[in-house]
Amino acid sequence: KAGVTQTPRYLIKTRGQQVTLSCSPISGHRSVSWYQQTPGQGLQFLFEYFSETQRNKGNFPGRFSGRQFSNSRSEMNVSTLELGDSALYLCASSVGLSNEQFFGPGTRLTVL
Amino acid sequence: GNSVTQMEGPVTLSEEAFLTINCTYTATGYPSLFWYVQYPGEGLQLLLKATKADDKGSNKGFEATYRKETTSFHLEKGSVQVSDSAVYFCALSDPTNAGKSTFGDGTTLTVKP
Repeated sequence: KAGVTQTPRYLIKTRGQQVTLSCSPISGHRSVSWYQQTPGQGLQFLFEYFSETQRNKGNFPGRFSGRQFSNSRSEMNVSTLELGDSALYLCASSVGLSNEQFFGPGTRLTVL
Repeated sequence: GNSVTQMEGPVTLSEEAFLTINCTYTATGYPSLFWYVQYPGEGLQLLLKATKADDKGSNKGFEATYRKETTSFHLEKGSVQVSDSAVYFCALSDPTNAGKSTFGDGTTLTVKP
């Protein structure tokens, strides 16, 4: 089975721009979660989607948004980028009933 | 809310040494507990898990036991190898919040030959 894939792997943007990251879960997995990983804050939960509905949301500003498509692929969008948004963004998928998550390699976002 | 506290790093060991990384948690209800490992430039890989009290998770020589009485899930390995050098994360997942894991800060392990 193919693992979780994330595109792109690396992104460089400037302040004020917006960015869209993509995640394709493992086939059959209906839950997709997003996390932000930074050296200072560690791993922080952004949101989780299941069957195209957002089930859980972390404590991030409204500039961070996401969606899930009918094939379970998910995108997250960050608008009006700030320097502090520089991070590794990780996507994880799970079957939905299980708590075990499978992570993608991440997208490294650098905001200049 | 839920929280996970991990032993501060970094940890440096010689090959074949014994490893312990401490992890304690705070949670309502009965969470599942996990250890993930992250190698440089990669995402997280599930190392082992335990879903109820007294369960022992094990994989690749690593072990951890779910101790409800001490709210702990310490990671151990009897003999580490250079290839075990990585960052290790303890995590919990509340069954009522599937899809949302709470992570510790991570412990960097370096194993020297």
